[in-house]
Amino acid sequence: GNSVTQMEGPVTLSEEAFLTINCTYTATGYPSLFWYVQYPGEGLQLLLKATKADDKGSNKGFEATYRKETTSFHLEKGSVQVSDSAVYFCAPGEGSQGNLIFGKGTKLSVKP
Amino acid sequence: NAGVTQTPKFRVLKTGQSMTLLCAQDMNHEYMYWYRQDPGMGLRLIHYSVGEGTTAKGEVPDGYNVSRLKKQNFLLGLESAAPSQTSVYFCASSTGTGSLGNQPQHFGDGTRLSIL
Repeated sequence: GNSVTQMEGPVTLSEEAFLTINCTYTATGYPSLFWYVQYPGEGLQLLLKATKADDKGSNKGFEATYRKETTSFHLEKGSVQVSDSAVYFCAPGEGSQGNLIFGKGTKLSVKP
Repeated sequence: NAGVTQTPKFRVLKTGQSMTLLCAQDMNHEYMYWYRQDPGMGLRLIHYSVGEGTTAKGEVPDGYNVSRLKKQNFLLGLESAAPSQTSVYFCASSTGTGSLGNQPQHFGDGTRLSIL
C-alpha cells in the first residue's frame, strides 16, 4: 500500500536559520505531492504542491522539488521566521479512491 | 469568503451518546472528506464523498456514519460515542478534477470532541 515517511519533530530553530523537513513516499503511479501547514487552533492549509517529476512548488519562501528517482519531496526554507512556527504535513495525492494519506506532521518552533 | 465551515467547534459527550458534526462548503466542490487527528497519528481518513448522494469508507470508518444529501454539506455521525473517539475532527473539500486526492484539499478549522 501507499505510505509516507516524514521527518519527526519537534524541530527548533533560531530565526533566519535554514530549514529542511524530509519527506519520502511510496505510491502507485505518479501522484501530485503536497505540503500543508497547520497553525495552532486551525485546520490545514495548502502550502505548496507539485504535480509532476522535477516540478518545484514554492510559496512564502518555502520550496519543495518532486524527485521521482528518490520518491522524495523535501521541504526547505532558506531563512525561517518566528511566524513559520507551525506543524507541517507532507501528503502524496493518490489516484486509488479511499487511499489518502498524510505524514504524521513535523512541529517547527522558531525562536527569536 | 467562508470556505469550509464546521459546527460545532467544541463538544463534550458522555459514552453512549450520539451526535452529528456538520460540514458546509461554499466552493461548489465535488469531493468532501472527514478526518480525525490524534497526537502522533497525523490525519486519518474516516469517510469521503465524491458527489451528492455518494459516500465511501476511508481508513478508519468503524463507529461513524456519514451522509451527503446536499452537495455543499457532509455530515458525520457518531451513533454511540466511545472514549476512543475523542479526537479533533476535520472536514475538507476539493474539486472533482482528476482522481481523488490529486487536487488540493481545503480544510475547516476542526471540531474538538471529548468523550467521557
